[in-house]
This record gives sequence, structure tokens and C-alpha cells, in this order.
Amino acid sequence: GENVEQHPSTLSVQEGDSAVIKCTYSDSASNYFPWYKQELGKRPQLIIDIRSNVGEKKDQRIAVTLNKTAKHFSLHITETQPEDSAVYFCAAIPGGSYIPTFGRGTSLIVHP
Amino acid sequence: GAVVSQHPSRVICKSGTSVKIECRSLDFQATTMFWYRQFPKQSLMLMATSNEGSKATYEQGVEKDKFLINHASLTLSTLTVTSAHPEDSSFYICSAPDGSNEKLFFGSGTQLSVL
Repeated sequence: GENVEQHPSTLSVQEGDSAVIKCTYSDSASNYFPWYKQELGKRPQLIIDIRSNVGEKKDQRIAVTLNKTAKHFSLHITETQPEDSAVYFCAAIPGGSYIPTFGRGTSLIVHP
Repeated sequence: GAVVSQHPSRVICKSGTSVKIECRSLDFQATTMFWYRQFPKQSLMLMATSNEGSKATYEQGVEKDKFLINHASLTLSTLTVTSAHPEDSSFYICSAPDGSNEKLFFGSGTQLSVL
């Protein structure tokens, strides 16, 4: 089955800095890669996603890149703000099977 | 986006009692619902996949007699934790894929505390 590795487990940055979270996956059949943000005690919220036919996608301060050959994808947050502090999860979903495999999560802390 | 409603948000119960958690898709039909368990500061652990009108598929190591799942309609799936014990205390959360079967929408989660 699919295996998703996510790094780092904790990321501490100063407000205004950029943050990068990286994930690798093992199943070449995976073709959809969403990222979720989860605040303490709340539901994960989809913040951005990318499909395997695209190399990069951007939405304001958030961007995701995908390298299919290397089987890795990354989340980039620029100009971080304290409200960006949360746990971020990456996921990989194989085509034909919509069962996602989640990474272990990254706790992002943005210091004001 | 699509909305998944989950109730209750918090349950405190005595050891040995059963607890039912409901998840409803409010504006779309969810033929599939995923049930996850999440420990503090850890990832989402898939427990089972429920499919409307058929038996749920449980992940390895998850006791199907302990965690009863019912998906009786296209908008409702329930998870019943039977004879709950303190080790069952956790955050339980459901999710359903939208019509594209790719985008997942999560319920708000249920924090279960078994005394």
C-alpha cells in the first residue's frame, strides 16, 4: 500500500518567514495530493491540493509543488502569520481508490 | 465546499457504556464515509471505511465488534463504541469524499473520554 513520509514533525518560524513542509510517497499510482490544516481540537481543513498532471499550484501565500519522478511534494507558506500556527497534514490518494494515506503531520509554530 | 456534520462534539462516559457518534453529509450524498481515530499530536489513523448499504471495511487491528459502523443511508453513517474503556478515549473524526471522490470533507470530530 501507499506510504507517506512527512518532515519535519515540528517547524518553528518567525512571523514573516517562509515555511516549507515536505512529503514523499511510495505508490506511483497516487495522483491526487491534498494538504490539510488542523487547529487544535478542530477538523482538518483542505487548504490546497495538486494533481499529478501539474507541477505547481499557488493560492495567495500558499503553494504546493509536486515532483512525480522523485515522488515528493511540498507545501510552501510565505509571509507566515501567527494564525498559520497549526498542524499540517499531507496526503496521497491513488487513482481509482479514493482512500487517502496521511503523513504524520507537521506542527507549525509561527512566533510573533 | 461540502459540509459533514458530526455529533456529539464531546462525550464523557463511564467505562462499560456504549457511545454512538453520528456523521451526516448535509449537502451531498456520501456513499462512502471514512472513520478515523486521532491521538494527541498524532496523525489520522484510518479505522474503517463505511459504504452505504453494505458492510464496513475495517483496517487491520481494529475490532469490528468493538467499533460498530452502520451506513444506512446516503447521508448518515454512525460509529458505536461498544463497552467503552479508558483506552478508547480519543478524538474520533469522520470524513467523506465529495462527488469527485477525491476531495475529502471532515466532520468536526468527537472527543471521547471514558472514565
